[in-house]
Amino acid sequence: ETGVTQSPTHLIKTRGQQVTLRCSSQSGHNTVSWYQQALGQGPQFIFQYYREEENGRGNFPPRFSGLQFPNYSSELNVNALELDDSALYLCASRRGGATNEKLFFGSGTQLSVL
Amino acid sequence: DQQVKQNSPSLSVQEGRISILNCDYTNSMFDYFLWYKKYPAEGPTFLISISSIKDKNEDGRFTVFLNKSAKHLSLHIVPSQPGDSAVYFCAASAGPTGNQFYFGTGTSLTVIP
Repeated sequence: ETGVTQSPTHLIKTRGQQVTLRCSSQSGHNTVSWYQQALGQGPQFIFQYYREEENGRGNFPPRFSGLQFPNYSSELNVNALELDDSALYLCASRRGGATNEKLFFGSGTQLSVL
Repeated sequence: DQQVKQNSPSLSVQEGRISILNCDYTNSMFDYFLWYKKYPAEGPTFLISISSIKDKNEDGRFTVFLNKSAKHLSLHIVPSQPGDSAVYFCAASAGPTGNQFYFGTGTSLTVIP
């Protein structure tokens, strides 16, 4: 069984640039969520995709956008990067659309914005 | 507004003793709770969960207790082992149609050999 994989593992960008992070969900999982974890904080929910549709969004501005593909892999796009976007970005997948299923996390992408 | 709180940033315990990690929440709609463990440079790994219809769930050395009236849950690790040294996060979600988990800020556990 293949777990959740994310790429790249590390990324350095400058303010104002755009970035795309990628995630392959665990085999059999059709729901993907993205979380942002700032230093010293817990993961914060960005959004969730279920069967290629966004079905939930946290308190993040529209410059954070995403996609889910037919194979349930996903992308997180961030436009007009700001210094505060520096964080660990975690992708998580699970079966089904309901939350009483645990999340399986990838190892994350560490984004640094200079 | 932090709906899930872990008020102890760190905890040190001797090997073989009990580790107790605490978590408080404010949203009475939360009905599913999980604990995750995180090592540096890795993603969080699921440890144990509990539904609000229960007040205790055990899995080997790990037990989670839920006190709904106090809006409090705790994770007990017995006996603690050096490999348990990690950051522990509690998380909560609300209802079958809820779509996000709310995480605490984590407690860094150090188990001293």
